[in-house]
Amino acid sequence: DTGVSQNPRHKITKRGQNVTFRCDPISEHNRLYWYRQTLGQGPEFLTYFQNEAQLEKSRLLSDRFSAERPKGSFSTLEIQRTEQGDSAMYLCASSLGSEGYTFGSGTRLTVV
Amino acid sequence: GIQVEQSPPDLILQEGANSTLRCNFSDSVNNLQWFHQNPWGQLINLFYIPSGTKQNGRLSATTVATERYSLLYISSSQTTDSGVYFCAPYSGNTPLVFGKGTRLSVIA
Repeated sequence: DTGVSQNPRHKITKRGQNVTFRCDPISEHNRLYWYRQTLGQGPEFLTYFQNEAQLEKSRLLSDRFSAERPKGSFSTLEIQRTEQGDSAMYLCASSLGSEGYTFGSGTRLTVV
Repeated sequence: GIQVEQSPPDLILQEGANSTLRCNFSDSVNNLQWFHQNPWGQLINLFYIPSGTKQNGRLSATTVATERYSLLYISSSQTTDSGVYFCAPYSGNTPLVFGKGTRLSVIA
């Protein structure tokens, strides 16, 4: 068990560019979650998957955001046409059913 | 959705002191976790504690789900305890919800 892995750790991009983040959950976990955290705030829920099915999306997830978990294993979060307001820490977590979540180290996005 | 209120928002302790962090939540839940976020942003799970009391070294937690609150006790605090502590209740298929956290600074 190597924990939840997120790549890249840091990403700096110019406004208007597209970015993609990857999350590899704990292998036996069937649920995968994406959260976003801005400075001084608690993490906010974006979306979650049970196996390959995306079961819930937050209103925070605008049309520019898309998440996939094609084979029920790793997941990707893509942001199109990035804006400065997208600058944040993007956190991924996994769980087995509704038992305790394990978080990755996050991807810190800076949009310049 | 569930509303989470944590207190105090900020706390400064002298090394060796004890403290209690409180988490109130608005709805009935059947799951709750406490996390510590270190200065590098990593969220470390401290306790999965839907109800009752658990202890892990200098830390312990108590959740009284019927009264909608949870407490985190830190004894003999150390500088490495510094960071932000988050309470996160949830129920069934509802994703985990975070409070704003308690920012703890332990000074030597």
